[in-house]
Amino acid sequence: DQQVKQNSPSLSVQEGRISILNCDYTNSMFDYFLWYKKYPAEGPTFLISISSIKDKNEDGRFTVFLNKSAKHLSLHIVPSQPGDSAVYFCAASAGGNFGNEKLTFGTGTRLTIIP
Amino acid sequence: DAGVIQSPRHEVTEMGQEVTLRCKPISGHNSLFWYRQTMMRGLELLIYFNNNVPIDDSGMPEDRFSAKMPNASFSTLKIQPSEPRDSAVYFCASSSATGTGYTFGSGTRLTVV
Repeated sequence: DQQVKQNSPSLSVQEGRISILNCDYTNSMFDYFLWYKKYPAEGPTFLISISSIKDKNEDGRFTVFLNKSAKHLSLHIVPSQPGDSAVYFCAASAGGNFGNEKLTFGTGTRLTIIP
Repeated sequence: DAGVIQSPRHEVTEMGQEVTLRCKPISGHNSLFWYRQTMMRGLELLIYFNNNVPIDDSGMPEDRFSAKMPNASFSTLKIQPSEPRDSAVYFCASSSATGTGYTFGSGTRLTVV
């Protein structure tokens, strides 16, 4: 039972354009959401997060949107750069923004930025 | 800080052999997580520890898998006996109560032939 779903295994975007990565979840107990970025042969690294009390969080070129009623979140990257080419994982927690809580991850989306 | 350190980086073993993966968390982090990455299921949580105590091992696939955390600076994940379907990348991550998210190690790529 995949509680966090990333239905697009891959996405290609032209450099300079907007990249939009999507994530859906089924567990209504999830109240904190994170995006991780992973390069080949490295571990995932934290990118951006959002609490369920917000619907948007922005950090530089990265913005995460949360639609609780639809149980959907998205990551926007604008403008996209070649260094953004990586696998992006969506993750969710039911314990709020507490670092000790377990995270449930999606299957990932491979983003390729075309120069 | 050197980050979360995992060893070995790569492991190739024959079916039926015992495999031990090792992890050193970041000093001061009191939670440690073992994840497995596969194409089909993404990152699956196997087990996690808080203050060296196992909290949730419901993701451990079978009795062939076991994990220990004898102290705050070391954890092992053991597979005995190993099978080809255990082939995956295994990640260890650590965190603190005040942090946001985890810090992952670079992973161990396990191949069972």
